[in-house]
Amino acid sequence: KAGVTQTPRYLIKTRGQQVTLSCSPISGHRSVSWYQQTPGQGLQFLFEYFSETQRNKGNFPGRFSGRQFSNSRSEMNVSTLELGDSALYLCASSFLGGGPGTEAFFGQGTRLTVV
Amino acid sequence: AQSVTQPDIHITVSEGASLELRCNYSYGATPYLFWYVQSPGQGLQLLLKYFSGDTLVQGIKGFEAEFKRSQSSFNLRKPSVHWSDAAEYFCAVGEGYQGGKLIFGQGTELSVKP
Repeated sequence: KAGVTQTPRYLIKTRGQQVTLSCSPISGHRSVSWYQQTPGQGLQFLFEYFSETQRNKGNFPGRFSGRQFSNSRSEMNVSTLELGDSALYLCASSFLGGGPGTEAFFGQGTRLTVV
Repeated sequence: AQSVTQPDIHITVSEGASLELRCNYSYGATPYLFWYVQSPGQGLQLLLKYFSGDTLVQGIKGFEAEFKRSQSSFNLRKPSVHWSDAAEYFCAVGEGYQGGKLIFGQGTELSVKP
């Protein structure tokens, strides 16, 4: 069974640009969550999608957005990039998204560098 | 607000020695607790989880963790550390049935000396 796939693995963007990251969950998983990981702030929850609906959202500015498609694949978009957006962005999928017996499986992440 | 604290930023142990990584959580209801491990530049791998029942849970790679409600702790242990265990370890609490949101601790970096 294939794991969570994130593309691209590495990305370099210029301040002010926008970027789109992609996540393909494990087959059959309907919940996709996104996290930002930085040395200073650690792992922070961005948002979760379940059956194409945003079910939960973290404390990030509106420049960060996401969506989920009918095949459960998800994308996140960051507009007007700032230097502080440089981070490892991790995607996680789970069968139900919370509750007993569910666990999140993480992809290898996309390393975004903003210059 | 829910939170997770890992008091030790960095720990060094000798290969073959025992290991205990500390985790304290703050959560109003019954917590769903997890330990993940991350190797450099990689994603997170689940070591073990606690939802209910037996407070001592076994995980992969010889790890175990004990849930202590009275101390709000979920410490990770391993009786004998291998050099390949060097990595960063994260404790996390799940926000329960309605969502897949995980709140992570700051992580503990484990170094293993020969």
